[in-house]
Amino acid sequence: DGGITQSPKYLFRKEGQNVTLSCEQNLNHDAMYWYRQDPGQGLRLIYYSQIVNDFQKGDIAEGYSVSREKKESFPLTVTSAQKNPTAFYLCASGTGSEQYFGPGTRLTVT
Amino acid sequence: AQSVTQPDIHITVSEGASLELRCNYSYGATPYLFWYVQSPGQGLQLLLKYFSGDTLVQGIKGFEAEFKRSQSSFNLRKPSVHWSDAAEYFCAVVLSGGYNKLIFGAGTRLAVHP
Repeated sequence: DGGITQSPKYLFRKEGQNVTLSCEQNLNHDAMYWYRQDPGQGLRLIYYSQIVNDFQKGDIAEGYSVSREKKESFPLTVTSAQKNPTAFYLCASGTGSEQYFGPGTRLTVT
Repeated sequence: AQSVTQPDIHITVSEGASLELRCNYSYGATPYLFWYVQSPGQGLQLLLKYFSGDTLVQGIKGFEAEFKRSQSSFNLRKPSVHWSDAAEYFCAVVLSGGYNKLIFGAGTRLAVHP
């Protein structure tokens, strides 16, 4: 089945630790995206990548980092510099103007 | 600034009733328009999209949306709501050209009474 997988579904970390969220797609899409979702808000763009080995900051990139070494994979690292990392993180991939979303990872930092 | 507004944070309807969820955008040109649905704790599923042409577009799960340029609106409708439609609905727009950055509204949470 084609789709986007994110793992794990739930992630718990202590404050001050870096954590990496996985995103894999087998849709053969060039573009991939990371969004953050907080209660009562829409999605906000963290990073995006239009092609392998290239990525750009979105609206709220501070405290996050990404890599795009393979077309299928776009991992997101939430660093200790992110002041409020507890949120629901959604990965998407796309072609043209359409984006397709993974199931999300809920990160809780205490 | 470019923005998407969903005026209704929560809507409650009875099962079988009709539904309309509002979406307004502020852009100089006509953007590409989308509606997504999100069940609790899940990712977003694309319901329908408008790029050009017929201003009434049909989507999955019996949903439709109408683009009205004069009102800068793209409202989502369903003639008869089912209990399984309870979810959060997001309107989004993207400007063509450059990278395809989706701008989302804050969402409307739909509750369905039996």
